[in-house]
Amino acid sequence: GIQVEQSPPDLILQEGANSTLRCNFSDSVNNLQWFHQNPWGQLINLFYIPSGTKQNGRLSATTVATERYSLLYISSSQTTDSGVYFCAVERSNYKLTFGKGTLLTVNP
Amino acid sequence: KAGVTQTPRYLIKTRGQQVTLSCSPISGHRSVSWYQQTPGQGLQFLFEYFSETQRNKGNFPGRFSGRQFSNSRSEMNVSTLELGDSALYLCASSGGDFSTEAFFGQGTRLTVV
Repeated sequence: GIQVEQSPPDLILQEGANSTLRCNFSDSVNNLQWFHQNPWGQLINLFYIPSGTKQNGRLSATTVATERYSLLYISSSQTTDSGVYFCAVERSNYKLTFGKGTLLTVNP
Repeated sequence: KAGVTQTPRYLIKTRGQQVTLSCSPISGHRSVSWYQQTPGQGLQFLFEYFSETQRNKGNFPGRFSGRQFSNSRSEMNVSTLELGDSALYLCASSGGDFSTEAFFGQGTRLTVV
């Protein structure tokens, strides 16, 4: 099956810093989503981005489908950005395959 | 519009028992899928249902089963619980066509003792 690799596995920042999270996938995909898992376990949708670039406030994402990677940018990070960020892909088989996540810690 | 609703939020069961978890999708969504999250294995796909039909199934033993009702609500059942079944179970709903955005519920945290 398709492989999804996220990097870095852990990231520690000071409040106000910028960061880039990466997601590599091993085959072509029809769907790519970024999620933030809150402390209670719910996966919060950040971006649905099979290709191209999107922005939502301090967050933006870019997917280069031909090169099989996606990037999530967080600017001016805040302590509330802390948590685990997941990338998930789908290959038209009705299932999302997740990466292992990036644990982001933003210190005040 | 209401999001994906999972019940119950927390469960404690004894080894050997069975458990049923419920998921109500976003209104109008016809696809429901289930995932298991554990610290060791991460997020793994269990199964997906659309219009009461299972379209895909992950690599889990037959003790894990599910179904979908005509109103798109779904249940998953785990029989003969094992300690290793302790996990966060997440349900997602989507429109049902290929590659549409999935939205997740808050999850059910199952502890098997």
